[in-house]
Amino acid sequence: SAVISQKPSRDICQRGTSLTIQCQVDSQVTMMFWYRQQPGQSLTLIATANQGSEATYESGFVIDKFPISRPNLTFSTLTVSNMSPEDSSIYLCSVVWNFQETQYFGPGTRLLVL
Amino acid sequence: SQQGEEDPQALSIQEGENATMNCSYKTSINNLQWYRQNSGRGLVHLILIRSNEREKHSGRLRVTLDTSKKSSSLLITASRAADTASYFCAILAYSSASKIIFGSGTRLSIRP
Repeated sequence: SAVISQKPSRDICQRGTSLTIQCQVDSQVTMMFWYRQQPGQSLTLIATANQGSEATYESGFVIDKFPISRPNLTFSTLTVSNMSPEDSSIYLCSVVWNFQETQYFGPGTRLLVL
Repeated sequence: SQQGEEDPQALSIQEGENATMNCSYKTSINNLQWYRQNSGRGLVHLILIRSNEREKHSGRLRVTLDTSKKSSSLLITASRAADTASYFCAILAYSSASKIIFGSGTRLSIRP
């Protein structure tokens, strides 16, 4: 079965810095998404990562804060910029294959901002 | 908001008992999916039910969907300690370009 990996799995960062999270899939996917899960909360969709074009952001999320790249059909990055303690969350990528209905998730990146 | 709402927020039952979690939503959907998350890890997809289906089974899991009431339930029979996790429903609304919106989740604890 296809594998979704994320790097790093966890990190502790200082406020004001930026962190780039990678999502790698071992086969081509039709869609990739990025989610945030704040402590004790559900998942909130940040954006849809579009291959070769700008990501589509959900309400409350902006490109300057969460720039996203998707250079091909198997890889995407999410950057959390100018971090503050409020950005401490788990960040998860998810993918859809061949326009199927089911969405599969990576293992997540646990971020702590001090 | 299209977000699903789940109840209860937390559920604690004895091992061997059945656990029922409910999800309500507000919009017309294409399908509804249930996920499990163990202790802040990645999400595991459990089951998908389409809007034209009323019930689905997978092992010890039974999912129902009532589109007239905009609600779904997840039943776990004969619960085990390993079922301790958070469970989320997620809806795929019509014309949502594969975007799914998650409910608030239910934290299930199984007492040995």
